[in-house]
Amino acid sequence: DAGVIQSPRHEVTEMGQEVTLRCKPISGHDYLFWYRQTMMRGLELLIYFNNNVPIDDSGMPEDRFSAKMPNASFSTLKIQPSEPRDSAVYFCASSFSGGHYEQYFGPGTRLTVT
Amino acid sequence: GDSVTQMEGPVTLSEEAFLTINCTYTATGYPSLFWYVQYPGEGLQLLLKATKADDKGSNKGFEATYRKETTSFHLEKGSVQVSDSAVYFCALPNAGNMLTFGGGTRLMVKP
Repeated sequence: DAGVIQSPRHEVTEMGQEVTLRCKPISGHDYLFWYRQTMMRGLELLIYFNNNVPIDDSGMPEDRFSAKMPNASFSTLKIQPSEPRDSAVYFCASSFSGGHYEQYFGPGTRLTVT
Repeated sequence: GDSVTQMEGPVTLSEEAFLTINCTYTATGYPSLFWYVQYPGEGLQLLLKATKADDKGSNKGFEATYRKETTSFHLEKGSVQVSDSAVYFCALPNAGNMLTFGGGTRLMVKP
């Protein structure tokens, strides 16, 4: 299995631009999670989906952030407009409801907003 | 709600030293417990797990025993290597297949 795939691995953009991060979960997994990791705040859960439906988005920092999961094999996290404080590593993870809660993480997207 | 608390780092050890990273949890019932490891520049990956009380999880020379009496799941390794330098996260399940992670403990192993 290829594991969780994220793209791009690195993104550098200017403040005010739209940024889209992409994730392909492991085939057969029915949960998908988006996390953000910074030195100051550690690992934060932003939003998670079950069977493509958003279940809890209470971790999304503000309306500039949005996430979608149009099908079982693809999800996006969009920031519009981006700000320097959004600079972080964004991880996608997936899990299977029959799998004792184990989550499998992607390699992350390192976002730098200048 | 359910939570985990792990020791703050960084933990700095010499190669071949003994490692302990403490993790305690607060939970209703006896959930599965996990240790994840994050190597530099990578995502988190499952290191080991224990699915019930008194179980011992082990992998790559690391061990952790699920102790319900002390609500602990401490991570241990008898002889660390430079390649073990990473951040270690203790975690337990929450509603909706979520995981609650500890704050992470950075381990630095010097040759």
